[in-house]
Amino acid sequence: GDSVTQMEGPVTLSEEAFLTINCTYTATGYPSLFWYVQYPGEGLQLLLKATKADDKGSNKGFEATYRKETTSFHLEKGSVQVSDSAVYFCALVSGGSNYKLTFGKGTLLTVNP
Amino acid sequence: DAGVIQSPRHEVTEMGQEVTLRCKPISGHNSLFWYRQTMMRGLELLIYFNNNVPIDDSGMPEDRFSAKMPNASFSTLKIQPSEPRDSAVYFCASSLRLAGENYEQYFGPGTRLTVT
Repeated sequence: GDSVTQMEGPVTLSEEAFLTINCTYTATGYPSLFWYVQYPGEGLQLLLKATKADDKGSNKGFEATYRKETTSFHLEKGSVQVSDSAVYFCALVSGGSNYKLTFGKGTLLTVNP
Repeated sequence: DAGVIQSPRHEVTEMGQEVTLRCKPISGHNSLFWYRQTMMRGLELLIYFNNNVPIDDSGMPEDRFSAKMPNASFSTLKIQPSEPRDSAVYFCASSLRLAGENYEQYFGPGTRLTVT
């Protein structure tokens, strides 16, 4: 079945540091890939997505590139802010999963001033 | 747009009591999902509906859990009887459709359930 593996946290960075959160996947066919973000006390929000190989999703300074050859979708940001502190979830949806979103376990990011 | 609405936001109940969680999806969305989030197990899909019909309930943990969607604008998740291990945050999400290039699930704020 489909699965998503993302790096375990927590990740603690200083403001303006570079961020990478690794995500790899196993899926049937050609999945669509997503990063969701969950701020404290809130539900998940879509951060960015990519629907085919070599696509780059980007939003709010975050980027991730769909790499089919390495089955990866790593999240990056060049300069993090305190307001980026949240839990980040990598996810996929594929036809093989009957269109259900499969989530990774989440990575807690804390950014200190 | 009000987004996905869930009620109550917090629920504290005693073991053995019935608990009903409610969700109003975004107007016009055809698919609705119930998730459970715990520290130990992360985010788990419990059940999802398409056009008010349950499509996959394989994530429902046991018969104590049931979900209904009587119309396009309302769904309930019921736990009867509740147990302490049901304590979690329950999220409802909706999407316009089940697939496609613009596929996205919109999540509600969640209901934090504590069973003592």
